[in-house]
Amino acid sequence: EVQVVESGGGLVQPGGSLRLSCAASGFTFSSSAMSWVRQAPGKGLEWVSTISGGGLGTYYADSVKGRFTISRDNSKNTLYLQMSSLRAEDTALYYCTDGDQAKWGQGALVTVSS
Amino acid sequence: DIQMTQSPSAMSASVGDRVTITCRASQGISNSLAWFQQKPGKVPKRLIYSASSLQSGVPSRFSGSGSGTEFTLTISSLQPEDFATYYCLQHYTYPRTFGQGTKVEVK
Repeated sequence: EVQVVESGGGLVQPGGSLRLSCAASGFTFSSSAMSWVRQAPGKGLEWVSTISGGGLGTYYADSVKGRFTISRDNSKNTLYLQMSSLRAEDTALYYCTDGDQAKWGQGALVTVSS
Repeated sequence: DIQMTQSPSAMSASVGDRVTITCRASQGISNSLAWFQQKPGKVPKRLIYSASSLQSGVPSRFSGSGSGTEFTLTISSLQPEDFATYYCLQHYTYPRTFGQGTKVEVK
């Protein structure tokens, strides 16, 4: 069974940092691009970032470029999103998905507030 | 960046109605479009990929069409479980962009 499970969400102050993790199973992780998609409370879906299967290709939304870093450890079947210089507008449910958005986790809630 | 414009943003419909949602791209994206359904408090679910390919397990009343800049999601006969918000997503180039969503509500 395909599973992606996010962890690492929480409350952080503006300007702070947080790292999200996504543990994947049930498919060939190292062959699959992986993405993060977020959804602010009551708002629509926003693509955040994608990383290629080998990890060499990374892509970011303009809204997070320079502040967020996507990475992966294929030996651990785990995807990461390092978030820094967090802003109130980064408050959202962050979903881990495969590169085609066919498989989604339940999401990790990130709240940026003082 | 490619902008994706969905219409309508909301609609009221009845069980049994034929429902059509449109997504327009600001530039050509070939057939690189997917459709998602999201119910309140739930994870989005992919319905259609490559503009017209039905995701495994999705009822055949859902269909997608279009290429280039104009795309359509059609629900042939709306069922009670279909009341939800629908999003399109272009996966032609980066940054990926979603439409703003179409909420299908009970009439």
